[in-house]
Amino acid sequence: EPEVTQTPSHQVTQMGQEVILRCVPISNHLYFYWYRQILGQKVEFLVSFYNNEISEKSEIFDDQFSVERPDGSNFTLKIRSTKLEDSAMYFCASSRTSGRVMSTDTQYFGPGTRLTVL
Amino acid sequence: AQSVTQPDIHITVSEGASLELRCNYSYGATPYLFWYVQSPGQGLQLLLKYFSGDTLVQGIKGFEAEFKRSQSSFNLRKPSVHWSDAAEYFCAAWWGGGADGLTFGKGTHLIIQP
Repeated sequence: EPEVTQTPSHQVTQMGQEVILRCVPISNHLYFYWYRQILGQKVEFLVSFYNNEISEKSEIFDDQFSVERPDGSNFTLKIRSTKLEDSAMYFCASSRTSGRVMSTDTQYFGPGTRLTVL
Repeated sequence: AQSVTQPDIHITVSEGASLELRCNYSYGATPYLFWYVQSPGQGLQLLLKYFSGDTLVQGIKGFEAEFKRSQSSFNLRKPSVHWSDAAEYFCAAWWGGGADGLTFGKGTHLIIQP
């Protein structure tokens, strides 16, 4: 069964450094998402992406964050200057159709990247 | 504001016993509802979903969930748990209205006693 993959599984970085988290969505999916889960808190929606542009973003997704689909398979989340509070598990997800018409569709999630900012 | 509540942070169940994990949603309109499971080192795997119709939904791995509009609930059940069911369980909802993202609960950590 096709699955969403994410690399690395764990990333440790120093505060102020840039990090790029990578995801390979399911191949025939068109919509891509990033979520994060701070330890002990809820999984929170960050951003959705379709047709090479951001479809929707939450208030968490500020100017420090950016997303990109650099080629036909990868989907990346960049944090320009990491802060301690960016430490979290970051999940990538993909779906065939938009979350806005989710009557029959489902978002499929990857295993996550645990980001630790020191 | 839209929210999903899972009131139990941890639940311990003996192997072979029945299980019920609670989930409640807020915000008037009925959302689409989902249960995901996360085993260690794995992604969030969809167990089942409710969009409309029959309020008792069957999922994978022997799980089912019942939607109760009067209680704004979508509780997950399994008649007999196995040690392999030990995992983190997340309830999620989608209210539409132009939003793409799912709203998740905090999760319930299920521990299985031998």
